[in-house]
Amino acid sequence: SQTIHQWPATLVQPVGSPLSLECTVEGTSNPNLYWYRQAAGRGLQLLFYSVGIGQISSEVPQNLSASRPQDRQFILSSKKLLLSDSGFYLCAWTHKVIRYGYTFGSGTRLTVV
Amino acid sequence: DAKTTQPNSMESNEEEPVHLPCNHSTISGTDYIHWYRQLPSQGPEYVIHGLTSNVNNRMASLAIAEDRKSSTLILHRATLRDAAVYYCILLSIGTASKLTFGTGTRLQVTL
Repeated sequence: SQTIHQWPATLVQPVGSPLSLECTVEGTSNPNLYWYRQAAGRGLQLLFYSVGIGQISSEVPQNLSASRPQDRQFILSSKKLLLSDSGFYLCAWTHKVIRYGYTFGSGTRLTVV
Repeated sequence: DAKTTQPNSMESNEEEPVHLPCNHSTISGTDYIHWYRQLPSQGPEYVIHGLTSNVNNRMASLAIAEDRKSSTLILHRATLRDAAVYYCILLSIGTASKLTFGTGTRLQVTL
């Protein structure tokens, strides 16, 4: 069966520090991968998506970047965090042909202080 | 992207059926209707999806209007664990299908 792993679960980082969040998928190949963010009390916003290794599309210009160095690995990064980067970050995957919808990870709650 | 309209909130008693409505009057012929729910402090969870015909799974049923301009998610017997925000989303199938979340319906379930 397919599983998605996302870590860490919580993170407290100072303003100006770098960020690296990792997401991996097991049990499938060539998935579509997504990063979402949910600010406190707000809706889910799509940040990046990837249809293959090295292929990244950005939905919202911001202080973040994403990379997909391997087929089932998706990384969200920042060189210098801002207070506004605080939020709940979620990774998700789906098959190329959607059969069962998106599967989301358990999320990382990031607090920038 | 075609938009959906959902009530902001709904309430239900435990053990009773819940009908969560969704309007999508600008749906296109290739849009699938997806439903997800998000429990507090968790990531969204896929519930069900359909195209034209009604669909059933272990979690819920999806009733789709004949003209496809509306749909209803049916929880047959609500439990306290069903309290969540439910999102109705139209998804156009393509190389990079993108799930765009609206504000959803917050379902409260009481004893």
